[in-house]
Amino acid sequence: NAGVTQTPKFQVLKTGQSMTLQCAQDMNHNSMYWYRQDPGMGLRLIYYSASEGTTDKGEVPNGYNVSRLNKREFSLRLESAAPSQTSVYFCASSLGLTSLGFFGPGTRLTVL
Amino acid sequence: AQSVSQHNHHVILSEAASLELGCNYSYGGTVNLFWYVQYPGQHLQLLLKYFSGDPLVKGIKGFEAEFIKSKFSFNLRKPSVQWSDTAEYFCAVTPGGGADGLTFGKGTHLIIQP
Repeated sequence: NAGVTQTPKFQVLKTGQSMTLQCAQDMNHNSMYWYRQDPGMGLRLIYYSASEGTTDKGEVPNGYNVSRLNKREFSLRLESAAPSQTSVYFCASSLGLTSLGFFGPGTRLTVL
Repeated sequence: AQSVSQHNHHVILSEAASLELGCNYSYGGTVNLFWYVQYPGQHLQLLLKYFSGDPLVKGIKGFEAEFIKSKFSFNLRKPSVQWSDTAEYFCAVTPGGGADGLTFGKGTHLIIQP
């Protein structure tokens, strides 16, 4: 099993450009999440999908959209990137409480 | 909504010293508690978790944590740290079944000096 995979690993954008971060899991987990990590802020939940076909806003959803394409894939889209979105983005998945530990390797995004 | 406080943002210890990292949460109901570790340049790994039962939980790499309900605390401990424990440590909580995601503390950067 690959676990949780994310692409790309690194990305540099100019202000106003758009891009989609991809996330996939092969553990048959129901729930998937997008977090951002900023220095001194910990991780903050952007959006989550508790099950296929549903998505909900987390703590910091502004400027982002998500798509739960199927049970395996959960993408995060920045329609018009801003420097404040410079961050490391982590995708995670879970199947209930007992499997709340699976994070992807992260995408380091810089917006100039 | 729940929140998590980690009081020590930076901790520097010598090898073989004992470690205790503080974590307090605020939430009125039942919560599930976690500690994660992030080694330099890597993603988060689960150290240990508490759902119910024995409030003293043991995790990987010799770490343990104690849930004290009356203090809303879930402190992480290790009797003797090693240089390889240098990392960032995050406390996190989630209520209920956990499908709504985790609320993280801001993290503690631990540096172990040889």
